[in-house]
Amino acid sequence: ILNVEQSPQSLHVQEGDSTNFTCSFPSSNFYALHWYRWETAKSPEALFVMTLNGDEKKKGRISATLNTKEGYSYLYIKGSQPEDSATYLCAFYNAGNMLTFGGGTRLMVKP
Amino acid sequence: NAGVTQTPKFRVLKTGQSMTLLCAQDMNHEYMYWYRQDPGMGLRLIHYSVGEGTTAKGEVPDGYNVSRLKKQNFLLGLESAAPSQTSVYFCASSYSISAEQYFGPGTRLTVT
Repeated sequence: ILNVEQSPQSLHVQEGDSTNFTCSFPSSNFYALHWYRWETAKSPEALFVMTLNGDEKKKGRISATLNTKEGYSYLYIKGSQPEDSATYLCAFYNAGNMLTFGGGTRLMVKP
Repeated sequence: NAGVTQTPKFRVLKTGQSMTLLCAQDMNHEYMYWYRQDPGMGLRLIHYSVGEGTTAKGEVPDGYNVSRLKKQNFLLGLESAAPSQTSVYFCASSYSISAEQYFGPGTRLTVT
């Protein structure tokens, strides 16, 4: 069982604040890192799939970076909006194993 | 294009009863997965399939069985339900082993 950790577990921010959270994963045998957004009463939806060290991906106000050598990825949200309130999951894949999910960061954006 | 669907959405079982959860996908994906989601535990893989007719154990397979007789369907069975199997069950599918996964809407199961 691989150890994928996310921090913080939860986060409250004001509308308009920018925020970021961390996903840590084993640095050996890296293959891919996924980010998912999971809104309450819905199912997880993929944001990014990242495979290369130094990768940066962006979708609207949300972006992510990847450092495979040190085993971490950051997810950034610029100018948070109430509709960004969700749990953000990261998941790590290395060759020989299945995708392992972190526990998630629950983001709540107050209007 | 419905994506990934799950049946049923909710179910209450008594200890010892059996049931089957059905997952269907219309994206022609080879890979399908069953997860359970419990408070504070994140998503944990129960079983998965890498193609029609093949299945494999995930992280928490005990008490569950699966079958993949058709490429588009992945069934999760509970032969003798236990209260510890109270959870929300998610099915997912993907094009390849490392590609993004598409999730179904979930099945909330309560075992009393």
